[in-house]
This record gives sequence, C-alpha cells and structure tokens, in this order.
Amino acid sequence: AQSVTQPDIHITVSEGASLELRCNYSYGATPYLFWYVQSPGQGLQLLLKYFSGDTLVQGIKGFEAEFKRSQSSFNLRKPSVHWSDAAEYFCAVGADFGNEKLTFGTGTRLTIIP
Amino acid sequence: ETGVTQSPTHLIKTRGQQVTLRCSSQSGHNTVSWYQQALGQGPQFIFQYYREEENGRGNFPPRFSGLQFPNYSSELNVNALELDDSALYLCASSSKGRGYGYTFGSGTRLTVV
Repeated sequence: AQSVTQPDIHITVSEGASLELRCNYSYGATPYLFWYVQSPGQGLQLLLKYFSGDTLVQGIKGFEAEFKRSQSSFNLRKPSVHWSDAAEYFCAVGADFGNEKLTFGTGTRLTIIP
Repeated sequence: ETGVTQSPTHLIKTRGQQVTLRCSSQSGHNTVSWYQQALGQGPQFIFQYYREEENGRGNFPPRFSGLQFPNYSSELNVNALELDDSALYLCASSSKGRGYGYTFGSGTRLTVV
C-alpha cells in the first residue's frame, strides 16, 4: 500500500523568501504524485502533478516540484512567496488509474510573515 | 462549466443519528470520489462511484455507504454516527481514465455531538 509523509507540520516564511515543502512517498512502482493547496474553509486545488517524463514539474501560481526516485521524494518549491500563498499544502500519491484513489499526507501549514 | 457543489455546507448531528451528504459533479465528469478529512489531517479515501456502482473503497466500515445517480451526482450516507465521524467531507468528481483529473468541492463540515 502506498503512503505519504510530510515531515513539516508548520512552516513560517517571510514574504519574498524562497520556499521548499518536503514530501516523501512509499510505493513499490512508479507513483503518480500530486501537490494540492487548501485555503481555510475551501476544498483542494491542484497545484501540479507528476506522471512520467521530466522530473521537474511546473505548476500553477509559480510552484514547481522535483521527483527524485532515489530519495522517494517530491518536494514543492517556490522561489518567492506571496502573502496569498498562506494555506495548507498536501502531497498525495496515486497508485494506478484503476480507481484513481489518492493517498494524502497530513499536510504542511504555511504561514507568511510580512 | 460548473464546478462541484456540495450540500449542506455545515451540519450538526447527534451521536447515533444518520446523515446524508450530497454532491453534484462537474459537467462532463462521470466519477465521484468521497474523502473524509479530520481536523489537522489529510483527506482519507472513503469510496468512489463510477456508472452508479462502487469502484473502490477505503478503510471505512459498512455504515458509510453511497449512491451515484444517472446524472452522476452522488450521496454519502453515514449511519449510527459516532463522535469520530466529525470531519470535513470532500467530494471530488472526475472523468475515469483521464489521469486523476479531480475537481474538489468545498466540502461539508459535519459535527457529531
């Protein structure tokens, strides 16, 4: 069974600083990997996804993530954060296209300070 | 195109009662998945419906059940509510086989007292 670990429960970053959110996954084959963002009281919005090919994936809102098979990681990065990036971020892994079930990590809450 | 609509947005139930949550899928989508998100946790897969049949289930007891209708909308029913059922319930619609193209609704916040 697949699993996802997000080691950082809460991260605080100054506006304009760079950001990296960590994600480690466990799955026997090539996983499908996702990053979602959730604002308070809202559903989940997809930032980016990795299925195959180029291991550096570009997403919306200036985010990118890099798939590293050797480290079982899929870390999310942004070169310069904005106050509007404050939210909860979830990494998720999907096993196959059969029932397209996602397994989520416990999330990282991002706080932006001026 | 319309997004995913969930109703109600909030509700409070008493332990032992039954509850029905509703989800209208996005236009063009034929699959609905339900997730439970407890406070401070990531969403957990409850089950998925495709062509009005259950197409995969997570580690949830049988008192969690669902339906999908011909218009692809869906219901989640929970019987014999327990305090631990308090959570945000998220519905996501997608088109099966198109690579996890989920669109999530804003969720229903259920509080069991």
